[in-house]
Amino acid sequence: EVQLVESGGGLVQPGGSLRLSCVVSGFNFRSYWMHWVRQAPGKGLVWVSHINTDGRTITYADSVKGRFTISRDNAKNTLYLQMNSLRAEDTAMYFCARDAVQGIYAFDLWGQGTMVTVSS
Amino acid sequence: QSALTQPASVSGSPGQSITISCTGTSNDIGYYNLVSWYQQDPGKAPKLIIYEGNKRPSGISNRFSGSKSGNTASLTISGLQAEDEADYYCTSYAGRSTLVFGGGTKLTVL
Repeated sequence: EVQLVESGGGLVQPGGSLRLSCVVSGFNFRSYWMHWVRQAPGKGLVWVSHINTDGRTITYADSVKGRFTISRDNAKNTLYLQMNSLRAEDTAMYFCARDAVQGIYAFDLWGQGTMVTVSS
Repeated sequence: QSALTQPASVSGSPGQSITISCTGTSNDIGYYNLVSWYQQDPGKAPKLIIYEGNKRPSGISNRFSGSKSGNTASLTISGLQAEDEADYYCTSYAGRSTLVFGGGTKLTVL
């Protein structure tokens, strides 16, 4: 079955860290660009970060630059998002998503999301 | 990385057609032909319904269509059905390997 499964979310204090994982199955992970997208409760979708197939090209939204790190392990079919210096405004559901075709930025496959809550 | 502008809500009756606009700038929608549209039901992950401005993924009804004029992209849903009630989001490539989303539009089928 083709799927993405996120994990690693939870409750963390401001200034804390979390690492999200996205395990993929059913397709050739190493051939696809991958992204993280988040959605605060009751709010819209926001693009967070992108990584290309070999991990050498990475970009971030300005709001997370310098605090979040995206990476991938193609041998483990896993995408990661290391989140440091977390703030209340980072509270959101985090989705991993597959870019349908390299460079068209159309996400044809999404995980179910993992919730991150930043609160004291 | 400013969000694209969408109307907060639109509504229509079954069988009618509705159009959702998505306004960007000459640095995103106006420059690149990489607009996508997503449908999101409450509590669910988004679903891709339009990519590269006007292409439909396999399995998406031809009642959904996309277009662009200048800095504004549009999603049209024809023959509105109750199951179309959802939130809709546009996105556009914005250069330098970045992406920008619209604020989302809630579609109500009356």
